[in-house]
Amino acid sequence: DQQVKQNSPSLSVQEGRISILNCDYTNSMFDYFLWYKKYPAEGPTFLISISSIKDKNEDGRFTVFLNKSAKHLSLHIVPSQPGDSAVYFCAASAREYGNKLVFGAGTILRVKS
Amino acid sequence: DAGVIQSPRHEVTEMGQEVTLRCKPISGHNSLFWYRQTMMRGLELLIYFNNNVPIDDSGMPEDRFSAKMPNASFSTLKIQPSEPRDSAVYFCASSPGGAGNQPQHFGDGTRLSIL
Repeated sequence: DQQVKQNSPSLSVQEGRISILNCDYTNSMFDYFLWYKKYPAEGPTFLISISSIKDKNEDGRFTVFLNKSAKHLSLHIVPSQPGDSAVYFCAASAREYGNKLVFGAGTILRVKS
Repeated sequence: DAGVIQSPRHEVTEMGQEVTLRCKPISGHNSLFWYRQTMMRGLELLIYFNNNVPIDDSGMPEDRFSAKMPNASFSTLKIQPSEPRDSAVYFCASSPGGAGNQPQHFGDGTRLSIL
């Protein structure tokens, strides 16, 4: 039972353009959402998060949007840079479940120069 | 700024051998998590500790797996006996814990190959 889904296995974007990574979840108890970036042979690196009481959080080139009614969140990267090429994981947690993270399968982002 | 430190980075061993993976969390973090990443199942939580106490081990696949946290700066994940299907990348993560949502910070993982 995949509670967090990233339906696009990969995404290719031109340098300087916007990258949009999508994530859907099924469990309405989730109240905290995170995005991680992962390079080969390294651990996931925390990128940005959003609480369920907000619908947008911004940090530099990265913005996360949350649509609770649709159980959908997205990560926007503007402008995209070649160094952004990595695997991006969406994750969610619920206070009721002890804040355990449930991860999506990941999306491979390739930014072409 | 020392992050989460895992050792070894790579481990290759024969089926039936005991494997011990080690983790040093970020100093001051009260929560520690062990994850396994495979192609089939992605990143899945095995067990987590709060203040050195195991809170939820429902993700531990079977009795061959055990984890300990003898103090706030060290944890081990042990597999005995190991099997080829245990081959995966094992990550340790830590977070400040306490009330409120906090991101987890990951180590670089141990790539385990069981022959």
